[in-house]
Amino acid sequence: LAKTTQPISMDSYEGQEVNITCSHNNIATNDYITWYQQFPSQGPRFIIQGYKTKVTNEVASLFIPADRKSSTLSLPRVSLSDTAVYYCLVAPGTTGRRALTFGSGTRLQVQP
Amino acid sequence: EAGVTQFPSHSVIEKGQTVTLRCDPISGHDNLYWYRRVMGKEIKFLLHFVKESKQDESGMPNNRFLAERTGGTYSTLKVQPAELEDSGVYFCASSPSEGLGGYTFGSGTRLTVV
Repeated sequence: LAKTTQPISMDSYEGQEVNITCSHNNIATNDYITWYQQFPSQGPRFIIQGYKTKVTNEVASLFIPADRKSSTLSLPRVSLSDTAVYYCLVAPGTTGRRALTFGSGTRLQVQP
Repeated sequence: EAGVTQFPSHSVIEKGQTVTLRCDPISGHDNLYWYRRVMGKEIKFLLHFVKESKQDESGMPNNRFLAERTGGTYSTLKVQPAELEDSGVYFCASSPSEGLGGYTFGSGTRLTVV
């Protein structure tokens, strides 16, 4: 499975837009990029998934350049409740439903 | 729909004892996974069921860990005998066979071996 690299931590203030970039240089053709959010004492929660270009849902946007070697999770107007660890994962979309490989994630701290 | 349910949420046992963790996946999800995070480390894959069959158990640390999924519904993960290094949070996740989208995780079982 493709290895991902993302910043260990980020700080932001309420109301700001936060962009977390993830590198995945060895992404395979059939890999999708998926982001999870994890709060303390909870399991990871699926946020968004994409293959290329841009994907947007009610929570976030995911930007993927043409070469797919990186991706950026964008959280608009963060609030204190967005303080969490965010994981970028790369894995095949549907075929085989293989296990996920978690990295260290990015610890986002939102200040008032 | 109900999410992935794990029981117990916390368990404190003595070294050498046996503990059984249970996971109830989302109804209809064929894929069930167990993951573990030990203190200060990353979340690590343990094993993957497709229905009642073990698809991949490459992450199981040793033969003190036994996972079952009889009937392809809920799953249990037994640790016997427990050792201090088994302490951590055990997560279960499930996913359907078809379609895109992520995996749904449970809230985890925090296991402390003393």
